[in-house]
Amino acid sequence: QLQLVESGGGVVQPGRSLRLSCAASGFTFSNYDMHWVRQAPGKGLEWVALISYDGTNKYYADSVKGRFTISRDGSKNTLYLQMNNLRAEDTAVYYCARSTQFDYWGQGTLVTVSS
Amino acid sequence: QSALTQPPSASGSPGQSVTISCTGTSSDVGGYKYVSWYQQHPGKAPKLMIYEVSKRPSGVPDRFSGSKSGNTASLTVSGLQAEDEADYYCNSYAGSNNYVFGTGTKVTVL
Repeated sequence: QLQLVESGGGVVQPGRSLRLSCAASGFTFSNYDMHWVRQAPGKGLEWVALISYDGTNKYYADSVKGRFTISRDGSKNTLYLQMNNLRAEDTAVYYCARSTQFDYWGQGTLVTVSS
Repeated sequence: QSALTQPPSASGSPGQSVTISCTGTSSDVGGYKYVSWYQQHPGKAPKLMIYEVSKRPSGVPDRFSGSKSGNTASLTVSGLQAEDEADYYCNSYAGSNNYVFGTGTKVTVL
């Protein structure tokens, strides 16, 4: 059964860092591009980042470029999002999603940036 | 990249049809066949309903259909059912490996 399980969210002060993880199972992880998408409380979806199936190509939304880094570990079937210099406006539920069609999503992990 | 424009709300009675629009530009919706639609119930993760403008994933009822004309894509839900009440988001490829979501539409079943 295909599963994506995010973890690593929490409350963090502005300017600090946090690393999110997304554990994948039930499919061949190394065959798929993967995304991070976020949703601020009561707001819409915002695409954050994309990593190619083999990890060689990475793309970011302008709002996080230079602060966030997407990566993956094929040996652990896990996707990561390293978030540095966090701002209040980064407060959101962060979802990982599979493939260019965003065909499967995790349940999300909440990141709250507050002093 | 600006969000694609969707109406904030749409509604219909059970059995009726509702159509949601998603307006972008020639740099996203109008320029590619990669438009998809997602259903999100409160507190839940989004679910893929339509991909590549009009294709339905396995398990999605054929009451859901998608189309595109120029810079505007549309999702039609026919034969509305109570469980269709949810938020719906469109998404489009925007070139250079960037993606953009719509502003979202809340569908209410009267």
